[in-house]
Amino acid sequence: AQTVTQSQPEMSVQEAETVTLSCTYDTSESDYYLFWYKQPPSRQMILVIRQEAYKQQNATENRFSVNFQKAAKSFSLKISDSQLGDAAMYFCAYRSAMASYDKVIFGPGTSLSVIP
Amino acid sequence: DSGVTQTPKHLITATGQRVTLRCSPRSGDLSVYWYQQSLDQGLQFLIQYYNGEERAKGNILERFSAQQFPDLHSELNLSSLELGDSALYFCASSVGQGEYEQYFGPGTRLTVT
Repeated sequence: AQTVTQSQPEMSVQEAETVTLSCTYDTSESDYYLFWYKQPPSRQMILVIRQEAYKQQNATENRFSVNFQKAAKSFSLKISDSQLGDAAMYFCAYRSAMASYDKVIFGPGTSLSVIP
Repeated sequence: DSGVTQTPKHLITATGQRVTLRCSPRSGDLSVYWYQQSLDQGLQFLIQYYNGEERAKGNILERFSAQQFPDLHSELNLSSLELGDSALYFCASSVGQGEYEQYFGPGTRLTVT
């Protein structure tokens, strides 16, 4: 069974600085998708960024980028120029590419605080 | 706004009762997923439907059931409620299966007293 681990329960960053959130996963599959979701105090789950395992290029969405290391099964999220609105719970998630096993497995989350 | 709607937003009920949570997917989305988020269990996948058929099952209790109707909305039924069922229940939808992104609704906060 696939598992997702986030070893940092809490992190903080100064406004305008850069922070990296860690995520590792375990799978025997070769084709899958990885996601970072943001959950602000409103509790809404917001997709931040996604990465296809077959792509070597790291995904980027504005200030958010990932470092995907497939062999190491590592998928970290870098937030540049941190803003107060980035304060939230961040979940790393795994999804199999097999349509017959279509569920998302979430990590335990990292609570990010942004210090003004 | 993801386009996924969930009702009600909040629900308070007593142990032993039965409740129904409703989800309307984004227009055009055929897949609906249900997740439970609790403090001790984190975010857990419960069940998935695709175009009216059950396609994947996760850690869903036997006291829980779900269905997807012809108009593609879905309902999650929780019965014989226990205190431990108190949680935030999310519905998500996607166009299809596999690679398609899931869009989450705002959730239903269930409190069992």
